[in-house]
Formats: sequence, structure tokens, C-alpha cells
Amino acid sequence: AQSVTQLGSHVSVSEGALVLLRCNYSSSVPPYLFWYVQYPNQGLQLLLKYTTGATLVKGINGFEAEFKKSETSFHLTKPSAHMSDAAEYFCAVSLNTGFQKLVFGTGTRLLVSP
Amino acid sequence: EADIYQTPRYLVIGTGKKITLECSQTMGHDKMYWYQQDPGMELHLIHYSYGVNSTEKGDLSSESTVSRIRTEHFPLTLESARPSHTSQYLCASSQGAGTGELFFGEGSRLTVL
Repeated sequence: AQSVTQLGSHVSVSEGALVLLRCNYSSSVPPYLFWYVQYPNQGLQLLLKYTTGATLVKGINGFEAEFKKSETSFHLTKPSAHMSDAAEYFCAVSLNTGFQKLVFGTGTRLLVSP
Repeated sequence: EADIYQTPRYLVIGTGKKITLECSQTMGHDKMYWYQQDPGMELHLIHYSYGVNSTEKGDLSSESTVSRIRTEHFPLTLESARPSHTSQYLCASSQGAGTGELFFGEGSRLTVL
């Protein structure tokens, strides 16, 4: 069975600092991997996704993630945090099949201080 | 721009009441989903649908039921609400077999007293 582990329920950074949110997955076959962001009182919005091809994936709002098969990781990074990045971030995995039955991690709340 | 709508956004009701959470999408997506979200916990898939007249139970057992009579509409019903049903319910939709992107509504936060 596939699963996702997000290390750290809360991550605090200063504005302008590097953002690193960790995600490790377990899957018996090559997966699809996703990062979603949830702002307060809103639904989830897709940040970026890895399906096939280039392992470094760029998303919206300056975020990127790198698929590392050897480490079974898909960590999310942003070089310089902005106050507006404060939100909950969810990593998700699905098998490379026709149906998008996503399995989500528990989420990481990003706190950005001035 | 995703066009998927959930009503009500917030609902506080007493135990034993019947409730229906509405979800509609205007994108013509064939696949729709209901996730349950509790604070500090992962989102759990409770129902999904491949298309009209198709409904399946998800990974997390739920006492709720769903229907899919029209492509754009995927309501969730609880016949008799209990405090254990207090949670946030997120509806989502997707199209096709390739991208894996789900489009989410803003959620319905249910509190059962």
C-alpha cells in the first residue's frame, strides 16, 4: 500500500529564508507525486506535480520539488519565504493508473515571521 | 480557475438531524470525490465516483452516503448526525486519466452538538 510521511507538523521560517518541507513516500510502483497548499478557510490548490520526465519540478509561487527515487523523497523548497506563503502544505501520492485516488500526508503548517 | 462549489461552508446542528452537503462543479469533470479532513490528520477519501450512477466507498469507512445523478452534482448525506461526524468535508473533481490534478472546493465544516 502506498503512503506518505511529512516530517514536521509545523515549520517556522523568517521572511526571506529558505523554505524546506519534507515528504517521503512508499510505493511499490513508480508513483505520481503532488504538493497541495491550503490557505485558511479554503480548499486545497495544486502547487506542483511529478508524473514522468524531469525530476526537478517547478510550481506556482516560486516553489519547486525534486523527485529522488533512491531516497523515496519529494521535498518542497522555495529559496525565499514570503509572508503570503504561510499556509498548510500537503504532500500526496497516487499510483500511475487512470484513477486519481490520492493518498495524502498529514500536512505541514508553514509559519513565516517578519 | 477551478469552479467547484460547496454549500454550506459552515453548519452547526444537533445530534440526530439529517444533513446534506452539496457539491457542484461546472467543469464537466467525470470523476468526483469526498475527503474528510480533521486537524493534524491526513485527508481521508470517503467516497468517489467515476461518473453518473457510479459511487464507490473510499479508504475511510463513513456512515455517510453519496449519489451521482448528474455529472455536475455529488451530494453527501448523513441520515442521523452524531458528534463523531464533526469534521471538515472537502469535495473535489478531476478529469481524464493523466494529470492526477484534483480541483477542490472550499470545504464544508460540520459541527454536531
